[in-house]
Amino acid sequence: QKEVEQDPGPLSVPEGAIVSLNCTYSNSAFQYFMWYRQYSRKGPELLMYTYSSGNKEDGRFTAQVDKSSKYISLFIRDSQPSDSATYLCAMASNYQLIWGAGTKLIIKP
Amino acid sequence: SQTIHQWPATLVQPVGSPLSLECTVEGTSNPNLYWYRQAAGRGLQLLFYSVGIGQISSEVPQNLSASRPQDRQFILSSKKLLLSDSGFYLCAWVEHSTDTQYFGPGTRLTVL
Repeated sequence: QKEVEQDPGPLSVPEGAIVSLNCTYSNSAFQYFMWYRQYSRKGPELLMYTYSSGNKEDGRFTAQVDKSSKYISLFIRDSQPSDSATYLCAMASNYQLIWGAGTKLIIKP
Repeated sequence: SQTIHQWPATLVQPVGSPLSLECTVEGTSNPNLYWYRQAAGRGLQLLFYSVGIGQISSEVPQNLSASRPQDRQFILSSKKLLLSDSGFYLCAWVEHSTDTQYFGPGTRLTVL
């Protein structure tokens, strides 16, 4: 079993839809949870960062962490074609990041 | 603010040739530095990380090596490239207080 599981997609939704991206993990020691966005042929860029459980909101993006279920989510409201990218989850403990494989998201105009 | 540079941006090399990719960081001191490889449509594979000058940890045995000759410089090398070394190579540094990693623009390597 991988430490972090993430559906690779692709996930295709119409413009304006609410998008839900998810990761599950097995190591209860993870304390920091991140979502990165990666456009084609570019390095990943940090999108959201959450410490421990709870929700964090930034504009159209909401990150949610449920440590009891070992499950994290990223919600995108009012999705735009410019949101089309690969979204990677990552979890940290002791300076090591464990990465999900990434979900390719396609927003259709 | 911190900036991370990588070069070259794109590289095409024949099998058996040597490799040297460079990463430099500005605006921070004593950063933890990382080399990742990303195959097409795949996630990030950690190759090496370094917590200081001359300190390198290898995560995956392979024909690649890394060096850190200066505090803010991290180099990825190979003596003889294999076809399987093709991929997108990313350098990253970590923000210690949050374990958050920040990435450079990457080097796309094609081995023919």
